[in-house]
Amino acid sequence: EAGVAQSPRYKIIEKRQSVAFWCNPISGHATLYWYQQILGQGPKLLIQFQNNGVVDDSQLPKDRFSAERLKGVDSTLKIQPAKLEDSAVYLCASSLGIGETQYFGPGTRLLVL
Amino acid sequence: QKEVEQNSGPLSVPEGAIASLNCTYSDRGSQSFFWYRQYSGKSPELIMFIYSNGDKEDGRFTAQLNKASQYVSLLIRDSQPSDSATYLCAVRTGNQFYFGTGTSLTVIP
Repeated sequence: EAGVAQSPRYKIIEKRQSVAFWCNPISGHATLYWYQQILGQGPKLLIQFQNNGVVDDSQLPKDRFSAERLKGVDSTLKIQPAKLEDSAVYLCASSLGIGETQYFGPGTRLLVL
Repeated sequence: QKEVEQNSGPLSVPEGAIASLNCTYSDRGSQSFFWYRQYSGKSPELIMFIYSNGDKEDGRFTAQLNKASQYVSLLIRDSQPSDSATYLCAVRTGNQFYFGTGTSLTVIP
């Protein structure tokens, strides 16, 4: 069974630029999560989808972050414009359903200069 | 108060010893509890989860949950150098998942 796929693996941008991350969950997993993990901290949940609907986005900085999962499979997370403090690893995870075991992708390391 | 708290460590144990990792959570309504292992530069991988009070064993790993004390722990028996990693405690409360900052474990050969 293929795992969660993410791209790109690494991204370096300057502040105020835009960036987008892509995630393809495990086949059949209805729930998809985006996390932000800053160095030395635990992952922080940004947004959670159930199929193509948003379950929770209470910790998503909506003035600059957006995410979508239009067809209920792949998802894209966008940052526009980026700030220095957005430098982190962005992790995508998926699960069969809400509350089920989450499986993480390899992450995208973002560095904002 | 943070939702999930862990001692950041580092925790060092000799090879073959028992490593004990602890986690407390703030919301009494939390439903399920997870332990993830994260090697440096890698993404978290699930070790085990627990929903009910008591102990749950899986190989060398035992998770312990005490909802009255809002406390969950992970015991690693016969620790191996390959167990050296950061261990993240995660708690599900409603639809939200909260992770602790992790405890760094080093197993000394």
